[in-house]
Order: sequence, then structure tokens, then C-alpha cells
Amino acid sequence: RKEVEQDPGPFNVPEGATVAFNCTYSNSASQSFFWYRQDCRKEPKLLMSVYSSGNEDGRFTAQLNRASQYISLLIRDSKLSDSATYLCVVNTPGMDSSYKLIFGSGTRLLVRP
Amino acid sequence: SQTIHQWPATLVQPVGSPLSLECTVEGTSNPNLYWYRQAAGRGLQLLFYSVGIGQISSEVPQNLSASRPQDRQFILSSKKLLLSDSGFYLCAWMTGTGAETQYFGPGTRLLVL
Repeated sequence: RKEVEQDPGPFNVPEGATVAFNCTYSNSASQSFFWYRQDCRKEPKLLMSVYSSGNEDGRFTAQLNRASQYISLLIRDSKLSDSATYLCVVNTPGMDSSYKLIFGSGTRLLVRP
Repeated sequence: SQTIHQWPATLVQPVGSPLSLECTVEGTSNPNLYWYRQAAGRGLQLLFYSVGIGQISSEVPQNLSASRPQDRQFILSSKKLLLSDSGFYLCAWMTGTGAETQYFGPGTRLLVL
């Protein structure tokens, strides 16, 4: 089983649609959670952190369910510029007390006019 | 503010040739440093990470090695490249506190022919 699992998509939605991505993680010791965005042939960039109480940043809402080890990202009023791959990322303690980010393979979003 | 640099941006190398990719971070001290590889259409694979000068942890057995000769310098090397070493190589840094996110450099796109 992968440590972080995501539906690869692609999700093909019209402008203005609401779309939701889900992610599950396997290590219950994971401590922090993030959504990254990666444009084609570019480096991943932090979109938002995910907090237990849920958090919102403009059109983006992230939720965390520690009991179910489940993370979600909701995008409202989709824009063409939202087209990208969205990576679910989990920060997990390593053997030497360092931390490692474990990346999901990403969910691809295509927003059409 | 912190910045992370990688070079070269693009590299085409023959099979069997050596490799040296460099990553430097500015604006922070004692960062955790990471090397990832992303094959075409795939997720990020953690190759190496370092919590300090001279400290390297390898995640997967492979044809590559890493070194950290200075606090903010991280080098990825190979003595003899394989075709399977082709990919997008990303360097990232994170503060040593562990609960933070990672920030990525612009990446090096390597093609081994």
C-alpha cells in the first residue's frame, strides 16, 4: 500500500465548477499535511497547509480527518488557471528524528472554458 | 527571504558519463535538504536527505550519491549514468524544526541518451 494515495484523475471540469480531491495516508504518526500544486514541467509549490479544524484560503478549502487518515481539497468557482496537478503531502517522522515529506502521485485537474 | 538555486536547468548526457547537480540555499542556516526525482508523468521519489554537513541518508538503493560539503550546499552525483536516471531532479529545503513545509528549487531536467 502506498503511504499517500490519490486518485490520479484527470478531473475535467468547466469553468465555475466546484471540484473536490481526496487523499488517504497510511502512517498514523504523520504530523502535518499540505496540498502542493505542480504546473507542467515546473517545481511543486505550496498551495496550503491543512489543519485539523479545516482551513480556507479564498476559493480553496482543505479538511483533515485524523481518525480516518483522510485529507481533502475543495476548489470552488474553478478558473482556467487552476489547471495543474495537485499533490497531497504528508510530513512523517523518520527513524533519525528528522522529518520527511511523503508525496502522493498527484491528481490532475483540467478546467475547460 | 530564502531562495533555493539549482543548476544546470537542463542537461543531456550520454550513458556511462558522470553527473554532478548542485543545489544551494540562501537566507537560512542549518536547513534540512532533500533530493527528489520525478520521472515523466510520475510522482516525486525521495532520493536523499541531509540534516547537517556531511550527514546523508539514502532512501533507495541506486546509481546515485549525494554530498553536503557546506551547510547550504547539496550535491547529487553519479559516476556512470544509466538510461533510467533520466528525470526531473528537484532539490528542496525545510527548516530543522520538522513541522514545516518544504520549498523546492526550479529543478534540473536530465536526459540520458
